[in-house]
Amino acid sequence: DAKTTQPTSMDCAEGRAANLPCNHSTISGNEYVYWYRQIHSQGPQYIIHGLKNNETNEMASLIITEDRKSSTLILPHATLRDTAVYYCIVRERGAQKLVFGQGTRLTINP
Amino acid sequence: NAGVTQTPKFQVLKTGQSMTLQCAQDMNHEYMSWYRQDPGMGLRLIHYSVGAGITDQGEVPNGYNVSRSTTEDFPLRLLSAAPSQTSVYFCASSYSPIGTPSGNTIYFGEGSWLTVV
Repeated sequence: DAKTTQPTSMDCAEGRAANLPCNHSTISGNEYVYWYRQIHSQGPQYIIHGLKNNETNEMASLIITEDRKSSTLILPHATLRDTAVYYCIVRERGAQKLVFGQGTRLTINP
Repeated sequence: NAGVTQTPKFQVLKTGQSMTLQCAQDMNHEYMSWYRQDPGMGLRLIHYSVGAGITDQGEVPNGYNVSRSTTEDFPLRLLSAAPSQTSVYFCASSYSPIGTPSGNTIYFGEGSWLTVV
């Protein structure tokens, strides 16, 4: 079963920051939070992952709350090409799989 | 650097036929896996391998076989195709098993669209 809860869909204006929330209230101490996205009909694309600290890379920032029960993916300057389904994933400890739930369908509007 | 390459991209099978979906990666990755994605659904793990000669089952392994004779290749075999296996199949790889520092970035192929009639 998916261990995360995400909104089904979100909209964001082009050029603005897109903030995608994710709840993972049952996360345990050593479990990472991963974010992937899937642009229509393509293979999923890795975005970022984190454990406790906030993380930033060339694509996005990941903000994890202090209690680790939720996180937010931030796309700082969204473009039309960021329209995709975004998956927040918590991997079960020791499991060699990522469980992709329904994700959030993010639409960037001109 | 081609990344993860899947073939064929599209295939139509008749019920009962067998076929092999090919997956190759040129990144010297130890970990490889196969997922399927049904319309409007998330991906589900079929089989995975943490290295040459080692394979294991995922969530939905029934009706599929895999082998890992080389580091580069991880073919997925459908033994006797059924309409329920109509799906998009994604192969993925990472440098090391998930959860290790270099295993957290997984690279996916572009998908193979399979229709069983």
